[in-house]
Amino acid sequence: KQEVTQIPAALSVPEGENLVLNCSFTDSAIYNLQWFRQDPGKGLTSLLLIQSSQREQTSGRLNASLDKSSGRSTLYIAASQPGDSATYLCAVLSGANSKLTFGKGITLSVRP
Amino acid sequence: NAGVTQTPKFQVLKTGQSMTLQCAQDMNHNSMYWYRQDPGMGLRLIYYSASEGTTDKGEVPNGYNVSRLNKREFSLRLESAAPSQTSVYFCASSDLAGQETQYFGPGTRLLVL
Repeated sequence: KQEVTQIPAALSVPEGENLVLNCSFTDSAIYNLQWFRQDPGKGLTSLLLIQSSQREQTSGRLNASLDKSSGRSTLYIAASQPGDSATYLCAVLSGANSKLTFGKGITLSVRP
Repeated sequence: NAGVTQTPKFQVLKTGQSMTLQCAQDMNHNSMYWYRQDPGMGLRLIYYSASEGTTDKGEVPNGYNVSRLNKREFSLRLESAAPSQTSVYFCASSDLAGQETQYFGPGTRLLVL
């Protein structure tokens, strides 16, 4: 059974800091990995999707990397801003029925 | 283009009552999903529909039924609500079953007393 872990559960940083959010998964036989953002009381917004054959994806100040063999992904946020405060969830697509398995998320707070 | 819409946004039920959560997408996606999100548990898949006319169980299907009414709509029914079903329910859709990113609705917050 695929398990996705995100540690720590919460993170607080000062504005302007570059930061890395980590995600690990137990079964390396994945189709893709996605990073989502969730604001309080809202739904999930897809940030980046990395196919299993890819090593990284970039969107603006965000860069996500994937090391499938070691079961790890990182989301790099450059020059963090208070507007980046949210919960970030990692999810991997795997299994015969192509199911998404989510981590529990990292709640990020960027202090002005 | 509204994306994925869910109704209602919030609902309070008494134990044993039934209700249907509605979900619709206007992106012409083939696949649709129902998740529940609970503190400390993360998001868990309840049911999904890979294409119109098909539905399959996810990780936590007990106590729920679904209907893929047409390509746009996918409903989730609680026949006899229990306090353990208090949660936030999210509907999502994607173009190809699992191959592309899923787009999520805003959620339905359900409280069962």
